[in-house]
Amino acid sequence: GAVVSQHPSRVICKSGTSVKIECRSLDFQATTMFWYRQFPKQSLMLMATSNEGSKATYEQGVEKDKFLINHASLTLSTLTVTSAHPEDSSFYICSKDRGGYDTQYFGPGTRLTVL
Amino acid sequence: KQEVTQIPAALSVPEGENLVLNCSFTDSAIYNLQWFRQDPGKGLTSLLLIQSSQREQTSGRLNASLDKSSGRSTLYIAASQPGDSATYLCAVMGDQFYFGTGTSLTVIP
Repeated sequence: GAVVSQHPSRVICKSGTSVKIECRSLDFQATTMFWYRQFPKQSLMLMATSNEGSKATYEQGVEKDKFLINHASLTLSTLTVTSAHPEDSSFYICSKDRGGYDTQYFGPGTRLTVL
Repeated sequence: KQEVTQIPAALSVPEGENLVLNCSFTDSAIYNLQWFRQDPGKGLTSLLLIQSSQREQTSGRLNASLDKSSGRSTLYIAASQPGDSATYLCAVMGDQFYFGTGTSLTVIP
């Protein structure tokens, strides 16, 4: 069964609103989770590393004040897209680190459309 | 449901060798295929993106091919280096992302 869940799977919102995406680890605790996004016809790119109990580490070019990441518990990380614009429309995926060379567990993704 | 398999699961080669990683998928209705590198404790690094209409992409020592009809992709790494040691993932984009099972590569100095 699924190890990582995301909610919602799809969301459509108006420009200027904020959208929260949840990423849950369904089995073991997840100290580290990752957030990715993919724009149409482009590669899936890492946005940030979410660490439980501390501030997220953002990749270069990702605005931390626009993409708020909260990892308040060992099983939940949230990504909030604040004041969303149409250019934020994208596919967002989270994953859970398993440690070592084991492949990460990936969520099913959230498709965000900003009108 | 789409299934993505990678062979081999683990590979160990001496430095300097050329190597091929394989990725197969069951549903050819994909938009694109991507190859990633995963280092311990780190997020994925995108290596190559092949759109469904393309057959291959190259970046430096890496070359990826796509045969959509047979549901296969290969990642060719030329002149391997110890720094190439990592887990390599392929992923296909259909109605959602489907990630492969990964190949753990070790390049021995």
